[in-house]
Amino acid sequence: RKEVEQDPGPFNVPEGATVAFNCTYSNSASQSFFWYRQDCRKEPKLLMSVYSSGNEDGRFTAQLNRASQYISLLIRDSKLSDSATYLCVVTASLVVWGGAQKLVFGQGTRLTINP
Amino acid sequence: NAGVTQTPKFRVLKTGQSMTLLCAQDMNHEYMYWYRQDPGMGLRLIHYSVGEGTTAKGEVPDGYNVSRLKKQNFLLGLESAAPSQTSVYFCASSPLEDEDTGYEQYFGPGTRLTVT
Repeated sequence: RKEVEQDPGPFNVPEGATVAFNCTYSNSASQSFFWYRQDCRKEPKLLMSVYSSGNEDGRFTAQLNRASQYISLLIRDSKLSDSATYLCVVTASLVVWGGAQKLVFGQGTRLTINP
Repeated sequence: NAGVTQTPKFRVLKTGQSMTLLCAQDMNHEYMYWYRQDPGMGLRLIHYSVGEGTTAKGEVPDGYNVSRLKKQNFLLGLESAAPSQTSVYFCASSPLEDEDTGYEQYFGPGTRLTVT
């Protein structure tokens, strides 16, 4: 079983639609959770962190359910510029002390917004 | 502030050749990482460093060596390249964790390596 599993996609949705991504993780000791965005042939960039209380950043809402080990991302009123691959990421400590963390990536879900 | 830079951007190697990928960061980050990205696999950690002069193995270290002689640089070496090492290589760095920074890692633009 993969440590982080995402919807396989691809998702093709019209501009203005709402789209939801889901992700599950297997390591109950994971401490931090993120959604990264990766444009074609570019590096991953942090989209948002995910907290148990849920968090919102403009059109983006992320939720974490630790009991179910489940993470979600909701994009409302999607724009053409939202087309990208969305990576679900959890962390695993590399050292006993300090902040060095291994990022464990899902395989990504490709989203295409159509005009 | 250039952030994280990587050289070269592209490289084609023949099986058995060696090369070094250079990662540099100007953010004074303590931690640096090397990942590889393959289709359908996500990014996987190769090696990492928690400070100048220290390195450690990640998930997929075989066939690679690393060095961090200066805090701002992290080198990834392939001593004898194999076709299985065809991949996109990303370097990342992160600061000591504090309340503001959390665990965010900052990525370089990547190196696309093909081994024939």
